[in-house]
Amino acid sequence: GAVVSQHPSRVICKSGTSVKIECRSLDFQATTMFWYRQFPKKSLMLMATSNEGSKATYEQGVEKDKFLINHASLTLSTLTVTSAHPEDSSFYICSAWTGSYNEQFFGPGTRLTVL
Amino acid sequence: QQQVKQSPQSLIVQKGGISIINCAYENTAFDYFPWYQQFPGKGPALLIAIRPDVSEKKEGRFTISFNKSAKQFSLHIMDSQPGDSATYFCAASIEDYGQNFVFGPGTRLSVLP
Repeated sequence: GAVVSQHPSRVICKSGTSVKIECRSLDFQATTMFWYRQFPKKSLMLMATSNEGSKATYEQGVEKDKFLINHASLTLSTLTVTSAHPEDSSFYICSAWTGSYNEQFFGPGTRLTVL
Repeated sequence: QQQVKQSPQSLIVQKGGISIINCAYENTAFDYFPWYQQFPGKGPALLIAIRPDVSEKKEGRFTISFNKSAKQFSLHIMDSQPGDSATYFCAASIEDYGQNFVFGPGTRLSVLP
């Protein structure tokens, strides 16, 4: 199957700093990328949907000014957690969809810890 | 109506046994039902998926059974192995909506050696 990478795999930062997470589709072009948040032992919660070259669509309750998403190319989407606080600590997972096949390819996730 | 229910929350099975996880949905517009397997600290990986035009799909030890009238679908893992120990998520989507998945809450499976 197609490969999606995320970088970094884990990050620890101080409260108030901003953190950028990259999501790349390595061997295909992703029409759409999704960003999820997952709390321990919980399901995936969709945060936003991003299409290349357009503004991301955020789910209800997700602060667009706090979670900045940029989908600059068909192989790269970034999620920036601005002014991070301890409650933002979570496992962030991206996925990519080609638009041609009926499946999402998930990245390995990024563990964010805000001290 | 967008919710997907999943049970059980956790499941313990002996090696060689059958693991069964059930999901139910309300939105009849859903037309794609994948199952994902997730190991700790990793992203979910697609296991198997089904569409409503068939009642069963089998891939190796994994089988999805689909009941359109009851709006239920289930995952059966035959000859369960310790390596199958993971969290399993069912999901549902409307393909025309660009693969926006609704995930179930997950089932933590432990297969005892």
